Amino acid sequence: GENVEQHPSTLSVQEGDSAVIKCTYSDSASNYFPWYKQELGKRPQLIIDIRSNVGEKKDQRIAVTLNKTAKHFSLHITETQPEDSAVYFCAASRGHGSGNTGKLIFGQGTTLQVKP
Amino acid sequence: EADIYQTPRYLVIGTGKKITLECSQTMGHDKMYWYQQDPGMELHLIHYSYGVNSTEKGDLSSESTVSRIRTEHFPLTLESARPSHTSQYLCASMQGDYNEQFFGPGTRLTVL
Repeated sequence: GENVEQHPSTLSVQEGDSAVIKCTYSDSASNYFPWYKQELGKRPQLIIDIRSNVGEKKDQRIAVTLNKTAKHFSLHITETQPEDSAVYFCAASRGHGSGNTGKLIFGQGTTLQVKP
Repeated sequence: EADIYQTPRYLVIGTGKKITLECSQTMGHDKMYWYQQDPGMELHLIHYSYGVNSTEKGDLSSESTVSRIRTEHFPLTLESARPSHTSQYLCASMQGDYNEQFFGPGTRLTVL
């Protein structure tokens, strides 16, 4: 079935360094790839997303890259700050319509710790 | 304020009890979802709905059931709770396709 693999499961960086989280998806029909951030004890919130017709998207210190051929996408956080510490989830979806389910398939999550 | 609400936030019950976890959203979204998540761990989709009177089972097998009689309301029911049901349950909603799923604050369920 549909599957999303996320690595690493934990990541520790020094404040100011960059962090990269990688995901691989199995369903070649996936065309929407969001990233969610979940702080301790709080609900997941969308931080950035990308559609399959775009190879890269940037929003201030965060960026996402997509390689459809390799079925691989990554989250890049630059100039990390302690408030970036959280669990990050990637996800993949086909969207909805034409018999597609539109469900989000989530990766296993990455716990990012940014040390001051 | 437009938001997604879940009640109760915390629930401790004994084995065999019937429970209903409530989820309501005031954003007018057509799609709603239930996820099961152990703290900080993977999100597992257990039920979803594309609109009124539409419900589907998710990827994780669950003994729970759902209903969608009104657009804004998507309750989840466990007929007979067991310790294996102990987890956090997150409700979410989304409008259309390729849009953000908004999550509720969650219900943390403990079955003794």
